[in-house]
Amino acid sequence: EVQLVESGGGLVQPGRSLRLSCAASGFTFDDYAMHWVRQAPGKGLEWVSGISWNSGSIGYADSVKGRFTISRDNAKNSLYLQMNSLRAEDTALYYCAKDTYTTVAGAFDIWGQGTMVTVSS
Amino acid sequence: QSALTQPASVSGSPGQSITISCTGTSSDVGSYNLVSWYQQHPGKAPKLMIYEGSKRPSGVSNRFSGSKSGNTASLTISGLQAEDEADYYCCSYAGSSTKVFGGGTKLTVL
Repeated sequence: EVQLVESGGGLVQPGRSLRLSCAASGFTFDDYAMHWVRQAPGKGLEWVSGISWNSGSIGYADSVKGRFTISRDNAKNSLYLQMNSLRAEDTALYYCAKDTYTTVAGAFDIWGQGTMVTVSS
Repeated sequence: QSALTQPASVSGSPGQSITISCTGTSSDVGSYNLVSWYQQHPGKAPKLMIYEGSKRPSGVSNRFSGSKSGNTASLTISGLQAEDEADYYCCSYAGSSTKVFGGGTKLTVL
C-alpha cells in the first residue's frame, strides 16, 4: 500500500525549532520529488517546500525561506522539514506529499494525513 | 509568489455543470502546462483530480475535466452529485522549483 506518514508535530513556543518527518512506503521513494504543504486552521492549502529526487533542486515559499530547511534520506525512504524561528503564523497542519515527477514540477498524487504544528507561548 | 485567484464559492444543483476558474500570471499558469486540481472534503487530506492541466488520474470520474486559456485554468464538473460538495484548489508550477496554490473554492451542491 502506498503510504506517507508524518510525525514530529506538536506545541512549540515562538522562536523555537521543530523537525517534521515523513516516512514513505509502497513506492520507489527515490524516483520522485517530495513536498511539504500546510493548511492553517480553517484556511486554504499553502505550498511550503519541495525537493527533487536527488536533492539537487529545492524550493521554498517566500513565507518560510531562510527559516525552514527541507531534506530527504533516500536510504531511509524519509522526508524531513527542519523548522527554525517558528512564528504564530506557522501554526498549521503540515502534509507530506509525493510528486508525480522526479523534479519539483508535477502534481501531488499521494498525501499523508498530516501532523499538526501549533506555535504558541 | 502570489496565490492564484479562485472564486471563494460556487454552487449548482444536482445534474448541472459548474466551472471553477484559477487565474495566475505569465510566470506561473501562463508559462507552464502544469496546473493541477485537488478536492478536499472536511477533515480529509486533499485528493488529486486533474494534473498537467487536463489529465485525470486513474479512478477519477470523467465528470471532472480541466482546461487552460492564457493565464487562467479552469475545472469543470459535469453532472453534479452530492458527493462533489467539497473545497477545490488549483496549483501551478511557478518556476525555480516553486509551486503556488489558489485560495480555494467551496462548492455547494444545492
